[in-house]
Amino acid sequence: GAGVSQSPSNKVTEKGKDVELRCDPISGHTALYWYRQSLGQGLEFLIYFQGNSAPDKSGLPSDRFSAERTGGSVSTLTIQRTQQEDSAVYLCASSLFRGGMGSPLHFGNGTRLTVT
Amino acid sequence: KQEVTQIPAALSVPEGENLVLNCSFTDSAIYNLQWFRQDPGKGLTSLLLIQSSQREQTSGRLNASLDKSSGRSTLYIAASQPGDSATYLCAVVGRETSGSRLTFGEGTQLTVNP
Repeated sequence: GAGVSQSPSNKVTEKGKDVELRCDPISGHTALYWYRQSLGQGLEFLIYFQGNSAPDKSGLPSDRFSAERTGGSVSTLTIQRTQQEDSAVYLCASSLFRGGMGSPLHFGNGTRLTVT
Repeated sequence: KQEVTQIPAALSVPEGENLVLNCSFTDSAIYNLQWFRQDPGKGLTSLLLIQSSQREQTSGRLNASLDKSSGRSTLYIAASQPGDSATYLCAVVGRETSGSRLTFGEGTQLTVNP
């Protein structure tokens, strides 16, 4: 595809359920990021993948959050036992190289998660 | 810890006006600074990227400057149009994280009135 694709675009779930959010980055991009955007707040870094290196998980807010990236391409963000405070837009981005190397980030349209 | 601040939080201008959006950051040890726009319900679109060694970047009616020593960047939009209405975010890639993440400001919501 031409851009970063995220699915689903919207997800409504009941408190306590698990959810999986999917991100298809731009082909050939080695770096993949997950961010969270809550209403009225800025973007919060969650996790970063770079090639085959160990991911930077330092932004994950709790151990209910996990992510993986299979084959250096598709990534899945999993939230277990969802809480109402998890409601937000989850954005995925990819870049040709890591952000520090000067390659701009390309974002998907996000998954809007609502926990009821 | 890097902090990014954007002023103003919201701005409304008539069509055709030139305008400046401001971004400041607390830690000058950065690799680069990036400006994005975000339309309602959409992801972010990259506008300009300024490397730490650069002073400015231009793309069409947009010009972004960087003064790393003072921790400031400005985004200049010339001859604004209603289609420029969006939220504009700046973000820095800090050396403290080895370039692994961007730290974002909270954005400036711009409205250009016809």
